[in-house]
Amino acid sequence: DQQVKQNSPSLSVQEGRISILNCDYTNSMFDYFLWYKKYPAEGPTFLISISSIKDKNEDGRFTVFLNKSAKHLSLHIVPSQPGDSAVYFCAASGAGSYQLTFGKGTKLSVIP
Amino acid sequence: KAGVTQTPRYLIKTRGQQVTLSCSPISGHRSVSWYQQTPGQGLQFLFEYFSETQRNKGNFPGRFSGRQFSNSRSEMNVSTLELGDSALYLCASSSSGGGRTGELFFGEGSRLTVL
Repeated sequence: DQQVKQNSPSLSVQEGRISILNCDYTNSMFDYFLWYKKYPAEGPTFLISISSIKDKNEDGRFTVFLNKSAKHLSLHIVPSQPGDSAVYFCAASGAGSYQLTFGKGTKLSVIP
Repeated sequence: KAGVTQTPRYLIKTRGQQVTLSCSPISGHRSVSWYQQTPGQGLQFLFEYFSETQRNKGNFPGRFSGRQFSNSRSEMNVSTLELGDSALYLCASSSSGGGRTGELFFGEGSRLTVL
């Protein structure tokens, strides 16, 4: 039973346009959400996070939106750059949980 | 500040053998987690240690085990290797002491190939 789902395995976007990566979760106990970026042959690196008490968090070109009623979050990258090409993982955790639950990832390709 | 260091980076084993992977967390971090990444899958949680105690364990068979030392360094061991154990094994450290897992800092991983 996949508790964190990223339904789009891949996404292609033109440089300068907006990239929108989506993530859905099923566990109502999740209250903290994170996005990680992973390049080949490297470990994932933390990008941005959001607590369930917020519905938006922004950091430079990256914004994460959380819709608790729909159990949905999205990562917006504006403007997209070729260096953003990577696999993006959505992750979630709940209070008292000592693990992150990850989605399967979305491979973003930003085309120059 | 040095990042999370994992050794070895690459290794090849044959079925039935065992393997030990090592992880040195970021200095001052007392929580160490292990994840397995296989093609087409997300990162699957193996276990998490804090101050030498396993606080959480994922749904993996008993062939997968781990431990943490007093200096926070951690090892994981896989015995009786199977072809399906071929994966990237990622270690992550966190300063989070209690309540939950927050932001994790990952190493570059140990790529295990089982022939």
